[in-house]
Amino acid sequence: NAGVTQTPKFQVLKTGQSMTLQCAQDMNHEYMSWYRQDPGMGLRLIHYSVGAGITDQGEVPNGYNVSRSTTEDFPLRLLSAAPSQTSVYFCASSYSSHSPYEQYFGPGTRLTVT
Amino acid sequence: AQSVTQLGSHVSVSEGALVLLRCNYSSSVPPYLFWYVQYPNQGLQLLLKYTTGATLVKGINGFEAEFKKSETSFHLTKPSAHMSDAAEYFCAAMEYGNKLVFGAGTILRVKS
Repeated sequence: NAGVTQTPKFQVLKTGQSMTLQCAQDMNHEYMSWYRQDPGMGLRLIHYSVGAGITDQGEVPNGYNVSRSTTEDFPLRLLSAAPSQTSVYFCASSYSSHSPYEQYFGPGTRLTVT
Repeated sequence: AQSVTQLGSHVSVSEGALVLLRCNYSSSVPPYLFWYVQYPNQGLQLLLKYTTGATLVKGINGFEAEFKKSETSFHLTKPSAHMSDAAEYFCAAMEYGNKLVFGAGTILRVKS
């Protein structure tokens, strides 16, 4: 199993550009989520999904969209990038949302918005 | 809403010394609690977790943590630090629906 994969590893955007961060998992996990990591703030939940076709907002959803058309994929879209979205983005997945199953994290995408 | 506080953004210990990283949670209802480790330029790896049952939890790499309800704490310890333990450590609490709330993180430095 590849686990949780994320592409790209690095990305530089100009203010106002849009892009999609890709996340995929091959463990048939029901639950997937996106976090952003900023220095001194830990990780904060952006959006999450409890299954294909079902998504919901986390703590910091503004400026981001998600969809979940398949169990495997959970892309994160930045609609109009802003410098405040410069961060490291992590995708995570777990077996289910109904119990405290371990969340498996991808390697991250480092995004810089100029 | 749940919050998690990690005391000390940086902790420095000598190789072979005790490692103690502090974590407190805010909820009056004990949540599920986790410690994750992040090595430079990598994702997060689970060290250990507390769900129910025994309050002393053992994890990987010789780490353990004790859940203390009366103190709303879940401190991480390791008896003897190794150079390879240098990393950033995150305490997290799980809210309803598998959502994790993270502390700000503690960077552990191990001196030779």
